[in-house]
Amino acid sequence: ETGVTQSPTHLIKTRGQQVTLRCSSQSGHNTVSWYQQALGQGPQFIFQYYREEENGRGNFPPRFSGLQFPNYSSELNVNALELDDSALYLCASRPGLNTNNEQFFGPGTRLTVL
Amino acid sequence: AQTVTQSQPEMSVQEAETVTLSCTYDTSESDYYLFWYKQPPSRQMILVIRQEAYKQQNATENRFSVNFQKAAKSFSLKISDSQLGDAAMYFCAYRSAVAGGGADGLTFGKGTHLIIQP
Repeated sequence: ETGVTQSPTHLIKTRGQQVTLRCSSQSGHNTVSWYQQALGQGPQFIFQYYREEENGRGNFPPRFSGLQFPNYSSELNVNALELDDSALYLCASRPGLNTNNEQFFGPGTRLTVL
Repeated sequence: AQTVTQSQPEMSVQEAETVTLSCTYDTSESDYYLFWYKQPPSRQMILVIRQEAYKQQNATENRFSVNFQKAAKSFSLKISDSQLGDAAMYFCAYRSAVAGGGADGLTFGKGTHLIIQP
């Protein structure tokens, strides 16, 4: 069974640019969540996708957007990058919406905005 | 909105000793889940232990146990017989038991860096 994978591992962008991060969920997991983890902080919830629809959102502006595909993989898009967007971006997947189900995290993508 | 507070930025313990990491949280909900996650230098977040708020019995997973005090909104993690592989960042996290919307997201504390001295 393949776990949650994310690509790329590292990414460097310039302020004002746009970036797309990718996540492949664990087999059978149709719910994907994205988190932003700034240096020295705990992760913050960005949003969640369930069956290709955004299902919940944290306190992030609309320039953070996402997609989920029929195979349940997901993308996180960030437009008009700001220096404060530099962080580790974590993806997590779980089966269904039952809050009792454990989330499994990927290794993250380290984004640096210059 | 829920908040999670970890007041110990760093803790150090001798190998084979016991260490306790503290966590407090604030919520108006009565049904929720609490978690401890471990994040080693490899960055991958790993679930250590979870506690359902409706259960009075404290969760235990091998060398890891929690002290859940619902009235005090406290959720500490005890690691017994500490091993070198336990060295990592430890995060306390909260999730509402209500499905749907932003309530499904985990709320994390800022973490505690655990150092194991050989």
